[in-house]
Amino acid sequence: SQKIEQNSEALNIQEGKTATLTCNYTNYSPAYLQWYRQDPGRGPVFLLLIRENEKEKRKERLKVTFDTTLKQSLFHITASQPADSATYLCALDMFSGGYNKLIFGAGTRLAVHP
Amino acid sequence: DADVTQTPRNRITKTGKRIMLECSQTKGHDRMYWYRQDPGLGLRLIYYSFDVKDINKGEISDGYSVSRQAQAKFSLSLESAIPNQTALYFCATSDLGHSTDTQYFGPGTRLTVL
Repeated sequence: SQKIEQNSEALNIQEGKTATLTCNYTNYSPAYLQWYRQDPGRGPVFLLLIRENEKEKRKERLKVTFDTTLKQSLFHITASQPADSATYLCALDMFSGGYNKLIFGAGTRLAVHP
Repeated sequence: DADVTQTPRNRITKTGKRIMLECSQTKGHDRMYWYRQDPGLGLRLIYYSFDVKDINKGEISDGYSVSRQAQAKFSLSLESAIPNQTALYFCATSDLGHSTDTQYFGPGTRLTVL
């Protein structure tokens, strides 16, 4: 079955630095991969999507890379701010039963300190 | 996301009780989903529906049932609640017309079964 690995340990960084979160997957080659942000007690919010034929996608201070050879996506937040503190989930599509559905990783918690 | 609402937001119940969680959306999406989230396990799919007449089991449907009353409403029931169903439950929607399954989540229902 598809397995998604995100670092279960929290990532602590200093304000202004670049945060880099990792998402690794096995046993499948997704057509696209998505990143979501989740704040405590709230539902995940979609941030970015990157397709298998795209190496990199940017949105403001966010950058996502997708390496289908390594089966890995990296999520970067540049010039990080305390407001970026949250849990970040990666999700990839899996084709099963005639349609695509999303499989989510457990998420990595990011803490940005002033 | 105010476009997807869930009721109740919190519920404490006893083992053996029947519980219904409700989800409504104003996004006009065809697809609706129910997930549960447990610490360290990420989001796991319980049931999903691609339209009113199409309901499918997810990876952890045992002990749960659903009803798609209308395009905008999707309810999750626990027929006889047990303590290991204590979790955070999320409803989500996505647009069938898009080639990617970007999902929009409700605020969640925190369910405690004593």
